[in-house]
Amino acid sequence: GQQVMQIPQYQHVQEGEDFTTYCNSSTTLSNIQWYKQRPGGHPVFLIQLVKSGEVKKQKRLTFQFGEAKKNSSLHITATQTTDVGTYFCAGPDAGNMLTFGGGTRLMVKP
Amino acid sequence: DAGVIQSPRHEVTEMGQEVTLRCKPISGHDYLFWYRQTMMRGLELLIYFNNNVPIDDSGMPEDRFSAKMPNASFSTLKIQPSEPRDSAVYFCASSPRGGAYTEAFFGQGTRLTVV
Repeated sequence: GQQVMQIPQYQHVQEGEDFTTYCNSSTTLSNIQWYKQRPGGHPVFLIQLVKSGEVKKQKRLTFQFGEAKKNSSLHITATQTTDVGTYFCAGPDAGNMLTFGGGTRLMVKP
Repeated sequence: DAGVIQSPRHEVTEMGQEVTLRCKPISGHDYLFWYRQTMMRGLELLIYFNNNVPIDDSGMPEDRFSAKMPNASFSTLKIQPSEPRDSAVYFCASSPRGGAYTEAFFGQGTRLTVV
């Protein structure tokens, strides 16, 4: 079935550095969602992208959907310790239900 | 709204025992999902319901796993008999509509340890 692949699996950054996680699909996606899971917590919805080339911002977070709608990225500017967690992308599977990528675990050194 | 409520938050059981996980979805949400999260396999969809009816259980790993939704406000995931490899965090999620365009609201999860 449809799969979305995320890289990297892990990322250590110094507080204040930028961070980017990438989500890739072999097929065109109708939409993509991003979730954040804090350590010991549960996934929480961040945003959804639908249009080709779409860019959305939430404070220091910038989300992009590729022109071909096969990839997406989440970029965090000037990371803070509160950004720690695992970031998941999720796209539709063959049954049009959400399937989650493997996630990128972000660790921030103060 | 209190959000999706799961119980218990933690469960430790011995191999071979029956385990029942519980979920109360957000009122008015027509879809309910059960996910399992492990380091090795990430977040896997086990089964989902639409208006209390199981729609797709292809993610259920074995016959030892079963799920029910007797009414709109309650669902269970049962493992009988449990095995150590079932150790994981099990999440229940609900959404107002189906399809990948709809945000999923997750519960706090149940951390299951089978020894």
